[in-house]
Amino acid sequence: DAGITQSPRHKVTETGTPVTLRCHQTENHRYMYWYRQDPGHGLRLIHYSYGVKDTDKGEVSDGYSVSRSKTEDFLLTLESATSSQTSVYFCAIRLGMDQPQHFGDGTRLSIL
Amino acid sequence: ILNVEQSPQSLHVQEGDSTNFTCSFPSSNFYALHWYRWETAKSPKALFVMTLNGDEKKKGRISATLNTKEGYSYLYIKGSQPEDSATYLCALPSGGYQKVTFGTGTKLQVIP
Repeated sequence: DAGITQSPRHKVTETGTPVTLRCHQTENHRYMYWYRQDPGHGLRLIHYSYGVKDTDKGEVSDGYSVSRSKTEDFLLTLESATSSQTSVYFCAIRLGMDQPQHFGDGTRLSIL
Repeated sequence: ILNVEQSPQSLHVQEGDSTNFTCSFPSSNFYALHWYRWETAKSPKALFVMTLNGDEKKKGRISATLNTKEGYSYLYIKGSQPEDSATYLCALPSGGYQKVTFGTGTKLQVIP
């Protein structure tokens, strides 16, 4: 399996607090992605990165920001968490343009 | 946003039945299609990468076909087993092929 680790695996926090999720890869891949899992919507893309300091928005980027200062780390930040951001968050890496993605184990985030 | 549709949304079959489901996508600018298997409380795992019209891939009892001219791919499971119960996702590179757009999935439950 591709070396991809998400942390934390579980988090409970309160509305209005900032939250940062980390995705770490050991494979030195260029492309990294953050998705959220929502019933009836499957996986929806939040943000993605195509290199160090190169990021772009996905379809549900409002309320989220990302940073990638090193190839191996892709951080997702909820600046001021809201209950609608309660979800399971998946990070993924992609080996090449025609290659499938490899996913981390997910982070279950609950915002009360 | 690339429109990727999967049908049916859910499916219940008896153990031993064969089944199939569909992924539909715009036929223009096709690059590749990926099938994933997503078990409950786990992360999606890639099954197949389809790139050429007429492609047929097989892994054990699961196979997939691709028709890029009419914009669909079929996933077949022969002799379904309870361990085949999962959500099956299809995904296509989009947005200059850097992004990946997922369908909402077909949830399969195999009844023993």
